[in-house]
Amino acid sequence: EPEVTQTPSHQVTQMGQEVILRCVPISNHLYFYWYRQILGQKVEFLVSFYNNEISEKSEIFDDQFSVERPDGSNFTLKIRSTKLEDSAMYFCASSIRGGNEKLFFGSGTQLSVL
Amino acid sequence: DQQVKQNSPSLSVQEGRISILNCDYTNSMFDYFLWYKKYPAEGPTFLISISSIKDKNEDGRFTVFLNKSAKHLSLHIVPSQPGDSAVYFCAARGTTSGTYKYIFGTGTRLKVLA
Repeated sequence: EPEVTQTPSHQVTQMGQEVILRCVPISNHLYFYWYRQILGQKVEFLVSFYNNEISEKSEIFDDQFSVERPDGSNFTLKIRSTKLEDSAMYFCASSIRGGNEKLFFGSGTQLSVL
Repeated sequence: DQQVKQNSPSLSVQEGRISILNCDYTNSMFDYFLWYKKYPAEGPTFLISISSIKDKNEDGRFTVFLNKSAKHLSLHIVPSQPGDSAVYFCAARGTTSGTYKYIFGTGTRLKVLA
C-alpha cells in the first residue's frame, strides 16, 4: 500500500539553527499538509499546500516557517531559526483531493531543539 | 480555542467488551469527521469517517455515531482486541467554509486488557 514517507525520523538541533524536514507524499495525491504534535498535546494543523502554493496556514505558521515542493515528489518544511518551543513531532500528510478526503500521514519527524 | 474535545484522556476495557470513545465539538460549521488511531512512534492511521448527512457509519468492528444536535460523536469498537490499544483522535472540518484543515482533539488512550 502506498505510504507517506518522512525523513529524518529524529532531528536534534541547537536553538537558532535552521532545519528542513522532508516528506514524500503519495504519488497521485494533490494536497499536502504539515501537522505537529507537542508531547502530550493535540495534533495541530500548520499548513496546507495545493498547486504549488499555500492554501491555508495556521497562526503557528509564522515567518519562521516555509514549505516547498522542490520537485515532483518531495514536500519540505523549513524552520529558519528554531526555538525551544518548536520541539515536537512533525507529521506530513497528503490527500487525493481537498474535499471530504481522509489524510494519509507519515510516521513523523521528532524534532528536538536544545 | 479547543473546538474539538476528547474529555477522557484514557480508557481501559476488557478484551471482547465494547470500547466507546467520545468526542465533542463546538463549531456548528463542522460537517465531516474522521477517527484516527495512533501507535507510539507512528503517524495517525485513518479508521473511519462520517459526514453530517448521516448519523451512523459502520466498518467491521468500528462504528461511528454522530449526534448533530448535541455536537457529539462517538466511536464504538466491538469486540475490543488487545491490538486496539492505541491513542484515538477524532478530527473535524467544515467543508462549507472552504477550509481544508482538520481540527484534532487531544486524543484518548485506549488500553484493551487481555
